[in-house]
Amino acid sequence: EIVLTQSPGTLSLSPGERATLSCRASQSVSSSYLAWYQQKPGQAPRLLIYGASSRATGIPDRFSGSGSGTDFTLTISRLEPEDFAVYYCQQYGSSGFTFGPGTKVDIK
Amino acid sequence: QMQLVQSGPEVKKPGTSVKVSCKASGFTFTSSAVQWVRQARGQRLEWIGWIVVRNGNTNYAQKFQERITITRDVSTSTVYMELSSLRSEDTAFYYCATDAGSGTAFDYWGQGTLVTVSS
Repeated sequence: EIVLTQSPGTLSLSPGERATLSCRASQSVSSSYLAWYQQKPGQAPRLLIYGASSRATGIPDRFSGSGSGTDFTLTISRLEPEDFAVYYCQQYGSSGFTFGPGTKVDIK
Repeated sequence: QMQLVQSGPEVKKPGTSVKVSCKASGFTFTSSAVQWVRQARGQRLEWIGWIVVRNGNTNYAQKFQERITITRDVSTSTVYMELSSLRSEDTAFYYCATDAGSGTAFDYWGQGTLVTVSS
């Protein structure tokens, strides 16, 4: 099973700042099957990025994904008030899909 | 529009089983894949397993191998997740999510079903 590690655990930033979130895999992940989700309290996760770098339908272009192999990054170029949430990466390429532990982006 | 609607909250006793349904609409069900994910209150997302609707092939997380069964009924466009030998640690929200046939990502999610295990 591929283990995903996310860092930092919590990111405290102000609106308008740039957020950089990391997702590291214990072994190589196919870029085609690396996704990022946003989750707010009381809501189901929302797909942001799939295939490591493709934005899902309706996702603003301030969200971008990059990376390959074992290192992936989600970048939010300028934080809006609605972006403060928990972000999870998921790999769904190998037989056992896995999630990272999440990064909480909170207001500084 | 594409959506998944899950069954309502469940309260179960330890040692029993629960079966949660996930009804699909707005896309070609038989072309899709559906995954199940759970989340205890305040905890991380945990992957349970998935099913390829076309052929019924499943794959489960090692942790749940002995207790989980995911099935589908193409006549009603519904996927089911049954978890047996319930214990208090299984108390969580259970979500289904589908790729709606895209083969690229699980972009449509159900609203979640709260399963409470308590004696």
